[in-house]
Amino acid sequence: GAGVSQSPSNKVTEKGKDVELRCDPISGHTALYWYRQSLGQGLEFLIYFQGNSAPDKSGLPSDRFSAERTGGSVSTLTIQRTQQEDSAVYLCASTRQGAQNSPLHFGNGTRLTVT
Amino acid sequence: GENVEQHPSTLSVQEGDSAVIKCTYSDSASNYFPWYKQELGKGPQLIIDIRSNVGEKKDQRIAVTLNKTAKHFSLHITETQPEDSAVYFCAARGGTSYGKLTFGQGTILTVHP
Repeated sequence: GAGVSQSPSNKVTEKGKDVELRCDPISGHTALYWYRQSLGQGLEFLIYFQGNSAPDKSGLPSDRFSAERTGGSVSTLTIQRTQQEDSAVYLCASTRQGAQNSPLHFGNGTRLTVT
Repeated sequence: GENVEQHPSTLSVQEGDSAVIKCTYSDSASNYFPWYKQELGKGPQLIIDIRSNVGEKKDQRIAVTLNKTAKHFSLHITETQPEDSAVYFCAARGGTSYGKLTFGQGTILTVHP
């Protein structure tokens, strides 16, 4: 079946502009994650949604970052007033359930460049 | 929270040799340890995982070992091939961070023909 889909695949924006990144998880997956990967770095956790529970926002780096998940499916990560240090690949992942032993399935990411 | 350290950051081997990547974790309550392979321009793909009630798991040329006492786990790739060249990430799911995986910094593996 279809995997996790992210759009756009690439985004170039000017400093100070707002951007929205979209994630379509695998159908039926109730848990959704956003990670950030800076050049040559590991994956930095941003936010986690599980069903109707309150999201775990503990990884969001500043109040310029927000995310929502509508109808338990599609998620949007919004970055307001972008800064050059926001340049990175933003990865979305989903899993069947938020149980401790469920593997994450990643999309191919959105490469964000802030000029 | 959980902290995962991964070594080495780069690894270069000849085709046919073995490759070993090691990770340590800090949260003794962690109970799930996956390994991901990331190719250029793509998202990480799960290649093998291990639960804390198992000491070793093998899948063809790939194996993972877990030492809970020492809080470290390792990825072993035997008979390496050029297509194994990629970035490999280890991760751990802590007992107090339900759902969230903490990743190591990654290892760039290069297999020379």
